[in-house]
Amino acid sequence: GAVVSQHPSRVICKSGTSVKIECRSLDFQATTMFWYRQFPKKSLMLMATSNEGSKATYEQGVEKDKFLINHASLTLSTLTVTSAHPEDSSFYICSARVEGTNEQFFGPGTRLTVL
Amino acid sequence: QKEVEQNSGPLSVPEGAIASLNCTYSDRGSQSFFWYRQYSGKSPELIMSIYSNGDKEDGRFTAQLNKASQYVSLLIRDSQPSDSATYLCAVHGGGSNYKLTFGKGTLLTVNP
Repeated sequence: GAVVSQHPSRVICKSGTSVKIECRSLDFQATTMFWYRQFPKKSLMLMATSNEGSKATYEQGVEKDKFLINHASLTLSTLTVTSAHPEDSSFYICSARVEGTNEQFFGPGTRLTVL
Repeated sequence: QKEVEQNSGPLSVPEGAIASLNCTYSDRGSQSFFWYRQYSGKSPELIMSIYSNGDKEDGRFTAQLNKASQYVSLLIRDSQPSDSATYLCAVHGGGSNYKLTFGKGTLLTVNP
């Protein structure tokens, strides 16, 4: 149980384009999902908390207009990187919280490369 | 500022040995504690959760929690080369935001 999927697993795009990443909880419902970013050999960095049916809560320093988050259902959250630039190239990982616990299960991640 | 500190590593142990990973946290009100394993290039995988003082065992893994000392550890018995990974300690400090604070991780290498 507690399986989280992400799509796509890898994406290469041109500078200035937008990229949407999907995060799904496959066998449980998740009112809360999280989006992280991780640069090579660096720590996980929380970007935002995604709340089903309401606005996401962004961490300090994360541009909400650049990283759009939508959590329209209990099993799906999306992260859209708008007007992507090479410095946005990173490993984006979502997680979903199991209701009634603080346990987070991570998706397999999306590796974004912006040319 | 809530902080989670892990021994910096890297930690190298021979196959079959016990690997000991340590973590301290600053928020005395923390209630939930987790260990994640992250292989290179992959996402973190939850391997242990612990909520009460004492030991919790799951197969070759034992998590130990001491809230008075604000200390949580992970022991891996009979270490295998497949255990080679970065181990992340994560702490939930209470409250309704559900966020976890992660340590920077300890890289463990198990040598055959």
